Amino acid sequence: DAKTTQPNSMESNEEEPVHLPCNHSTISGTDYIHWYRQLPSQGPEYVIHGLTSNVNNRMASLAIAEDRKSSTLILHRATLRDAAVYYCILKGSGGSNYKLTFGKGTLLTVNP
Amino acid sequence: EPEVTQTPSHQVTQMGQEVILRCVPISNHLYFYWYRQILGQKVEFLVSFYNNEISEKSEIFDDQFSVERPDGSNFTLKIRSTKLEDSAMYFCASRLTSGVLNEQFFGPGTRLTVL
Repeated sequence: DAKTTQPNSMESNEEEPVHLPCNHSTISGTDYIHWYRQLPSQGPEYVIHGLTSNVNNRMASLAIAEDRKSSTLILHRATLRDAAVYYCILKGSGGSNYKLTFGKGTLLTVNP
Repeated sequence: EPEVTQTPSHQVTQMGQEVILRCVPISNHLYFYWYRQILGQKVEFLVSFYNNEISEKSEIFDDQFSVERPDGSNFTLKIRSTKLEDSAMYFCASRLTSGVLNEQFFGPGTRLTVL
């Protein structure tokens, strides 16, 4: 799997937008960009994924650069419950196991 | 909403003892996984399981580890002779079908402490 680079930590205030960046300069044409997060003392949970176009769901938005070498997870209004480690993971469309390879992720702190 | 469950939430054992960690994946899912996370470190893949056999395993998953789906609902991870370095959170995950778009659903984890 191609490598991703994320900042170690970011801080936000409650009810403000948060933009979590991810660089993946070696992404291949068939790699999907997945985001998971891990709340304190919990297992990881899926947030969103995309390939080329920007994506929205109830949890977040994913903005993908035109050259696909970077992406940004957007939380439109951070809440205290969004404090977590956020992981950007690339998954190729080949194969079937789709094990997830986690990096260190970005630790998001949300201030009240 | 369906969820992956794991038992026990915390297991304490003596070095050299066998432990079995249990997971109940989401009922219609077909792909199953174990991951572990040593305190303060990354989540690491251990093994994936499909159609009653291991489909992939990591270097961590050596002969001391085994997995089983004994009854069509439970998915277990056995460590035959635990070592101090096996102390970690162990997460079970399941996925509906093949396909890169299908998300993995994780359980809350079992904290294994080896003394």
